[in-house]
Amino acid sequence: GAGVSQSPSNKVTEKGKDVELRCDPISGHTALYWYRQSLGQGLEFLIYFQGNSAPDKSGLPSDRFSAERTGGSVSTLTIQRTQQEDSAVYLCASSLVSRRLGDTQYFGPGTRLTVL
Amino acid sequence: LAKTTQPISMDSYEGQEVNITCSHNNIATNDYITWYQQFPSQGPRFIIQGYKTKVTNEVASLFIPADRKSSTLSLPRVSLSDTAVYYCLVGLGNTPLVFGKGTRLSVIA
Repeated sequence: GAGVSQSPSNKVTEKGKDVELRCDPISGHTALYWYRQSLGQGLEFLIYFQGNSAPDKSGLPSDRFSAERTGGSVSTLTIQRTQQEDSAVYLCASSLVSRRLGDTQYFGPGTRLTVL
Repeated sequence: LAKTTQPISMDSYEGQEVNITCSHNNIATNDYITWYQQFPSQGPRFIIQGYKTKVTNEVASLFIPADRKSSTLSLPRVSLSDTAVYYCLVGLGNTPLVFGKGTRLSVIA
C-alpha cells in the first residue's frame, strides 16, 4: 500500500515568513510523528500525535512551531516567522499502534526547508 | 529512552559481510531494538527489529545476546547500494524515537 507522503518536497522561503508542511500518514496508522534533521545531524523529535489524546509537544523548539492533525489522519506542521536556523529536512512518520510492543515507525521522504 | 552507542563510521568492500554493533547498557525490559537505514535526502527506512536472540529477514540479521545490552546488525554480502547511515534505537516502537548520529557505512568496489 501507499507509504507516508509529505508535501512539498522542497520549500524555500524568506526569513520571517510562515510555512506549512503537510504529512499524509499510512492509512489506518493512529500514531503520527514529526522530526527534523539538520545537515549532517541525527533526527530530532518535534511532536507526536496518538489517536485522540493530547499531542506530545515536548520536542517543539519554540512557540513559533505548531502542528495539528485533522480527523486523525493528515497533519500540518506550521512554522511562523521562520528563521534561518529552521532550515532542515522535516520528516513525518506514522505507526500502527496496537497493544503489541515494538510497533514500527514508517517515515516519509521529508520536506527540505530552506530559509533565506 | 535508552542511550545507544555505535561506531561513527565503517568501511567495507563489496561482497563482504558487515557487522555493526550497538551498545545499549540501560535497555529496559519492555524495550525493543530497531535498526533503520538512511540514504542521503531520504527518510529513514526500517530494516529489522528484535527483542532477544536472533531475527532474520530478507535484508539483514539481528543478533541480541541474552543480557540484551548490545545488538549486532549483520548485512550479508554488501553492495555499493548499501552505503548509508545505519541507526540503532531502543525503546517502545510507538513512542518518539531518539536517534543518535548513527554509523556511516561506506561500501567500496
